[in-house]
Amino acid sequence: DGGITQSPKYLFRKEGQNVTLSCEQNLNHDAMYWYRQDPGQGLRLIYYSQIVNDFQKGDIAEGYSVSREKKESFPLTVTSAQKNPTAFYLCASSRNYGYTFGSGTRLTVV
Amino acid sequence: KNQVEQSPQSLIILEGKNCTLQCNYTVSPFSNLRWYKQDTGRGPVSLTIMTFSENTKSNGRYTATLDADTKQSSLHITASQLSDSASYICVVRKAAGNKLTFGGGTRVLVKP
Repeated sequence: DGGITQSPKYLFRKEGQNVTLSCEQNLNHDAMYWYRQDPGQGLRLIYYSQIVNDFQKGDIAEGYSVSREKKESFPLTVTSAQKNPTAFYLCASSRNYGYTFGSGTRLTVV
Repeated sequence: KNQVEQSPQSLIILEGKNCTLQCNYTVSPFSNLRWYKQDTGRGPVSLTIMTFSENTKSNGRYTATLDADTKQSSLHITASQLSDSASYICVVRKAAGNKLTFGGGTRVLVKP
C-alpha cells in the first residue's frame, strides 16, 4: 500500500540535544511538508520541499533544519536552538491538490 | 491576515445525535476548503474537499457545506457514533500557490 511513514511515534530528547525525525513516502509525491501541532492551535508550517534538493522555510523554521536528498525522504532535525520543541510533528506529502499526512511523531523534551 | 477560525473549540454529544461544526475563514484568494478528521495521536485524514463552485458535499454521515460569499463552511455529523470522537480540522488553500491555513480544530467527544 502507498503511504507516508513517520518514525518514531514517540521520541524523548534531553535539553541541548539535536534529534532527527524521519518521514518517508512511497506515493511518488513531489512535495513534502513538516508541520508542528500544539494543543488548541492550527498546524503551523516548519519547512516544505517542492522538489528534490530544494526546500523552503515555512512560518516557524527557526531551530529546525531539513534535507531532501531523495524524493521519498524528508527528515526533520530539531536542533538545540529550538526553545520549545515539545510538540506533535506531522509530515505530509502532496501532488496537485491531494494531501496525505503521516501518523505523527510526538517529541518530548525531558 | 489569512485566518481560519473554528467553533466550538469542543463539544460533547450523545451517541446517535447530530452535530454541526463551523468554520469561518478570511483566506483570499480562495482555492478550496477541506475538512479533516484527526484521531488522537494520529495524522489528519481527509473527509471532504470543496471548491468555490460547490455548496454541499457528503462523505457517508459527514456533510460539508460551503458559502464562498460569506466565507463560511460547516461540517454536519449525522447519527453520531463513538468512533466519531476526534478533532475535526478545517483547512483552506489559497489560490496561486500551495499554502494551506489550518483552523485550530473542534474536538468532538461522543458519549454512549
